[in-house]
Amino acid sequence: EPEVTQTPSHQVTQMGQEVILRCVPISNHLYFYWYRQILGQKVEFLVSFYNNEISEKSEIFDDQFSVERPDGSNFTLKIRSTKLEDSAMYFCASSKDRGVNTEAFFGQGTRLTVV
Amino acid sequence: KQEVTQIPAALSVPEGENLVLNCSFTDSAIYNLQWFRQDPGKGLTSLLLIQSSQREQTSGRLNASLDKSSGRSTLYIAASQPGDSATYLCAVDGSGNTGKLIFGQGTTLQVKP
Repeated sequence: EPEVTQTPSHQVTQMGQEVILRCVPISNHLYFYWYRQILGQKVEFLVSFYNNEISEKSEIFDDQFSVERPDGSNFTLKIRSTKLEDSAMYFCASSKDRGVNTEAFFGQGTRLTVV
Repeated sequence: KQEVTQIPAALSVPEGENLVLNCSFTDSAIYNLQWFRQDPGKGLTSLLLIQSSQREQTSGRLNASLDKSSGRSTLYIAASQPGDSATYLCAVDGSGNTGKLIFGQGTTLQVKP
């Protein structure tokens, strides 16, 4: 069964460093998303992406964050200068459609620890 | 602003019981509602998607209902098993054209053998 894959599963980085989280969405999906979940808190929307453009972004997704689809298979989230409060589980998701029939499929997540 | 709430936060039941998890949302203008399962430290597994025009969806021992006008959804799990132990999340899509999901905080279920 097709699935969303994320690498790495766990990343530890020093405050102020740049990190890139990688995702391979399901191959025939056209819509891509990043979410995050701080330990013990709700899953929060970060950004949605379609046709090489950001469709919507949340208040969390400030200038320190960027997304890119560098080729036909990968979807990346870059955090330019990490802060302690960026420590969270980051989930990539993809969907084939949008609207009433949108079913989002999530990856296993990347646990980011900023020290 | 859409808010999603799940009650109870935690639930413990003996194996074999039927149970209901609740999800409520403040803005009834949704496109769909999705139920997920999350195992500790793991990703989200999609269980059921209910479109806004639908009243319920079934998959195996799971049945999800949607009452859009009252802003409520329930997830019914029949004949619970220890393997059902996990956190169950509901999420609503009110955006339509961006696919943004708003999540509840989840219900952590423990099914005791």
